[in-house]
Amino acid sequence: ETVLTQSPGTLSLSPGERATLSCRASQSVSSNYLAWYQQKPGQAPRLLIYGASTRATGIPDRFSASGSGTDFTLTISRLEPEDFAVYYCQQYGYSRDAFGPGTKVHIK
Amino acid sequence: QLQLKESGPGLVKPSETLSVTCTVSGGSINSGSYYWVWIRQSPGKGLEWIGSIYYNGETYYNPSLKSRVTISVDTSKNQFSLKVSSVTAADTAVYYCARDLIEGARRIPREYWGQGTPVTVSS
Repeated sequence: ETVLTQSPGTLSLSPGERATLSCRASQSVSSNYLAWYQQKPGQAPRLLIYGASTRATGIPDRFSASGSGTDFTLTISRLEPEDFAVYYCQQYGYSRDAFGPGTKVHIK
Repeated sequence: QLQLKESGPGLVKPSETLSVTCTVSGGSINSGSYYWVWIRQSPGKGLEWIGSIYYNGETYYNPSLKSRVTISVDTSKNQFSLKVSSVTAADTAVYYCARDLIEGARRIPREYWGQGTPVTVSS
């Protein structure tokens, strides 16, 4: 069973700053089936990235992601007020499906 | 526009079986292009994948929940359902349904989600 670890647990930043979030898997993620989600209070998660680096439909290009194997990164180039939320990485695919614990990005 | 909507009991007693249904509108559940997924989120906690089902009934379950979970699909009603048996307070959570798209080797996970339905386990 693959375990996903996210760091940092919390990120304090100001609007306009760059955010870099990390996700590390305990085993290699096959086919780069690695996704990133954004969740705001009281809402369902929103898919941002799939296939480790492909933006989902309608996601602004300030969101980008990279990585392969066991190390993955989500970058938000310039934080907008609506970007302050919790971000989860996820390994997906048949029975290999698990979420990381999340990184909370809050306003400094 | 695809929409998913969960319906559940709200409150379940310990040791009983929790049942939640997801109704799909704006698209057919009877398609080989999708997996239908259950996820839950305990209060103040992260996300937990419960399991997934294909239109033909093929299922995949989280190993930590497999002994207590059953997911089924009813293509005539365009619904899929989740049952969790022998519930405890640890099963208190918001239960979400979602859809994964499969296109050959490409898979887009959870692009569509329901709003979630809260379930509390308490006597």
